[in-house]
Amino acid sequence: QVQLEESGPGLVKPSETLSLTCIVSGYSVNSGYYWGWIRQPPGKGLEWIGSVYHSGSTYYNPSLKSRLTFSVDTSKNQFSLRLSSVTAADTAVYYCARPLRGGWSVPYDSWGQGTLVTVSS
Amino acid sequence: SYVLTQPPSVSVAPGKTARITCGGYNIGSKSVHWYQQKPGQAPVLVIYNDDDRPSGIPERLSGSNSGNTATLTISRVEAGDEADYYCQVWESSGDHWVFGGGTKLTVL
Repeated sequence: QVQLEESGPGLVKPSETLSLTCIVSGYSVNSGYYWGWIRQPPGKGLEWIGSVYHSGSTYYNPSLKSRLTFSVDTSKNQFSLRLSSVTAADTAVYYCARPLRGGWSVPYDSWGQGTLVTVSS
Repeated sequence: SYVLTQPPSVSVAPGKTARITCGGYNIGSKSVHWYQQKPGQAPVLVIYNDDDRPSGIPERLSGSNSGNTATLTISRVEAGDEADYYCQVWESSGDHWVFGGGTKLTVL
C-alpha cells in the first residue's frame, strides 16, 4: 500500500522560495503515475497546484505556473515542489497525492497527511 | 477559466437523503469526481467518473452527472457523513484540475 509523506520547512519568509518534498513508500515513483500537489489555505477549499511524471512531464495550475518547479528523484523515490516569490496568500496545508491509476486526468485516491506552510517574516 | 459552483452548506437529518450539487457549464460532458474531507484530515476520494465508488466506499454514496449539474447523493445519512465535500473535474482546454469551492454537510 502506497504511503506519502510531505516534508519541508513550516515557515517561509515572504519573497523567498517554498520547497517541499513528498517521500513515497510502498510504490515506485517510476511506475507511470502523475504525482500531484494540492494545497488548502486555512479554513478554505482545495486548490490543485500541479502534477509531475517521473520523466519530467508536468501539468500546472495556470495561476501558479510562472512560480512553480517540479522534480522527481527516482533514486530516493520522492518528488518535489518549489514555489518562488511566496506571499501570505501561499500559506496553506500542502498535500501530495497519487492518482487512482496511470494517466494525467485521473483523480487522487492516495494522499499524504498534509503539511502546514506559513509565509511570514 | 472553468468554474465549479457548490452550495456552501447542506443540512440533513439522520436517516434522510443528502444531495450536494456541483454546477458547471456543460459539466455533463466531463467526468466528475468527489472527495470527502473531515476536519484535520486529508481528502478521501468517494466517487470517481461521475458514479463509480472506490473500494471501501459504502453504496449509500452515489453520483450522477447531466447537463450543467453533477450531484453527490448520500442516502440514509449518518453522523459520520458530516464533512466537507468537493467536486473536481479535469479542464481539458487548459489541461488542469479544477475543484469546486466545497460544501459543508451538517447532520442535524
